[in-house]
Amino acid sequence: GQQVMQIPQYQHVQEGEDFTTYCNSSTTLSNIQWYKQRPGGHPVFLIQLVKSGEVKKQKRLTFQFGEAKKNSSLHITATQTTDVGTYFCAGRISSGSARQLTFGSGTQLTVLP
Amino acid sequence: DAGVTQSPTHLIKTRGQQVTLRCSPKSGHDTVSWYQQALGQGPQFIFQYYEEEERQRGNFPDRFSGHQFPNYSSELNVNALLLGDSALYLCASSNLGGGPYEQYFGPGTRLTVT
Repeated sequence: GQQVMQIPQYQHVQEGEDFTTYCNSSTTLSNIQWYKQRPGGHPVFLIQLVKSGEVKKQKRLTFQFGEAKKNSSLHITATQTTDVGTYFCAGRISSGSARQLTFGSGTQLTVLP
Repeated sequence: DAGVTQSPTHLIKTRGQQVTLRCSPKSGHDTVSWYQQALGQGPQFIFQYYEEEERQRGNFPDRFSGHQFPNYSSELNVNALLLGDSALYLCASSNLGGGPYEQYFGPGTRLTVT
């Protein structure tokens, strides 16, 4: 079945440093979504990428979708303590009528003040 | 505009028992998906309901079943509970007819099986 791998599993950064998490799929994706889950909370939708090579920015966050639509990344510039949480990618496969999202295992970000 | 709501927030059950979890989707959404999230893991897709039918199912046994009502709300039933069923159960709603399938998650139900 479809697998979505995400690295690293954990990342500790000093406040002000940059952070990147990477997502790789075993199959071509029709789109990929990114979510943030604060400790004790539920996943909150951040963004969706659909087009090959797409790049989207949200303030300090930059999201990329690979040319082959099998990988993606989230980059945070100059992290702040409010960025703490677990970041998940979730991919939707290209073929058939599948509507399910397959989540990666997440990257847990800790920002040290 | 109410978001996704779930009940109950916490639940403790004994092995072998049955449980029903409930979800009300965000206003305007017609599709409900259920996920199981074990501690330290990403959400695992259980199934999705649209037009009162199960449209997609993940790799979960038949002990997991669901239902969607005409008002789009949904229930998740788990029979013959196992210790391994302890997890956060998340409901997510979306608008299937709206294109991108952006999902809004509810706060979840924390199920503990003892």
